[in-house]
Amino acid sequence: GQNIDQPTEMTATEGAIVQINCTYQTSGFNGLFWYQQHAGEAPTFLSYNVLDGLEEKGRFSSFLSRSKGYSYLLLKELQMKDSASYLCAVRDRRSNDYKLSFGAGTTVTVRA
Amino acid sequence: DTEVTQTPKHLVMGMTNKKSLKCEQHMGHRAMYWYKQKAKKPPELMFVYSYEKLSINESVPSRFSPECPNSSLLNLHLHALQPEDSALYLCASSQGTGGRDEQYFGPGTRLTVT
Repeated sequence: GQNIDQPTEMTATEGAIVQINCTYQTSGFNGLFWYQQHAGEAPTFLSYNVLDGLEEKGRFSSFLSRSKGYSYLLLKELQMKDSASYLCAVRDRRSNDYKLSFGAGTTVTVRA
Repeated sequence: DTEVTQTPKHLVMGMTNKKSLKCEQHMGHRAMYWYKQKAKKPPELMFVYSYEKLSINESVPSRFSPECPNSSLLNLHLHALQPEDSALYLCASSQGTGGRDEQYFGPGTRLTVT
């Protein structure tokens, strides 16, 4: 099974940086994803890590340490539109199937 | 086209009704998923279809019945639901070929069971 933990809420100022941490436990790790979900909308894919290290994509970066069961999503130069829930999701291999399990999400509020 | 569409957007049904949720994608994806999401909770996986065959059923009650008529379509048939089944039902698809294989989500159907 999965055990994915991330903070419930974070608040930051426009233009600032916020780091959202995620820890997980799994027996068949096969990748970690970050999704953004605005209220009332579908989750949208932000990033993917399967090897240790940092993946950078514009204002968003994601880091993974498989040995520590740890990831973070870094949001730089925050904009008001970044106010959303950020979901850490771990893909777990079960036999020949792959299951994606989501953390409870971190609600980020960006203030002017 | 990177869009997953779902119909209807909203559905209100009584506990004795039978209804169906529909999902469609034209990205050539071979894996399709149903998730249930309650307010302020993460999506919970219900079913996975891989190459039109049911590959994962997360012990979902039989009042939910999935169907994959072809590689582009995914249905969720609903019968004799309970009020606690009220939630946002999300459909997603992915290439299904390994690697990154990120899932693309539809906008969801907001279901209310009265």
